[in-house]
Amino acid sequence: QKEVEQDPGPLSVPEGAIVSLNCTYSNSAFQYFMWYRQYSRKGPELLMYTYSSGNKEDGRFTAQVDKSSKYISLFIRDSQPSDSATYLCALHAGKSTFGDGTTLTVKP
Amino acid sequence: DSGVTQTPKHLITATGQRVTLRCSPRSGDLSVYWYQQSLDQGLQFLIQYYNGEERAKGNILERFSAQQFPDLHSELNLSSLELGDSALYFCASGPGSGGNTIYFGEGSWLTVV
Repeated sequence: QKEVEQDPGPLSVPEGAIVSLNCTYSNSAFQYFMWYRQYSRKGPELLMYTYSSGNKEDGRFTAQVDKSSKYISLFIRDSQPSDSATYLCALHAGKSTFGDGTTLTVKP
Repeated sequence: DSGVTQTPKHLITATGQRVTLRCSPRSGDLSVYWYQQSLDQGLQFLIQYYNGEERAKGNILERFSAQQFPDLHSELNLSSLELGDSALYFCASGPGSGGNTIYFGEGSWLTVV
């Protein structure tokens, strides 16, 4: 069993939709929770970073962590075609372990 | 632009050969991380160096080795290359040793033929 499981997708939504991207994990030692965005095999870009349960908001993006359920989510509001990318969750306990990514397409 | 520089961007080489990938971290970052991303394996952590010393090791093959130099740039050496080594190799850097916020370069595309 992988330490981090990410909803595989792909996901296709119309412009303006709310997008939910999700990961579950098994290792309760993970202390930090990150979301990265990767455009067509470019370098992953750090989007959100949090270390506690609850919600963290940054513009149209909200990262949600539920440590009791070992579940993390990234919500994108008012999605735009420019949000089309692969989103990777990453969980950290000494080293970062990445999910396999969910590819999102936002259609105009 | 993350500030992490990787060279070369693309390379094609034959099986059995050896290549060196180079990484310059962001200004001020002491940690360098190497990751491999292939189509069927996702992003796999290879190795981390902090201020010249090996800090953490992941799924790095014995045919691969890395080092970090006094000026903090790093090199990843891949030898006895096999077709399955074809992948994107990313370098990332971070300010401390913890690795919870790291910044990726654009990657080096390696194709082994």
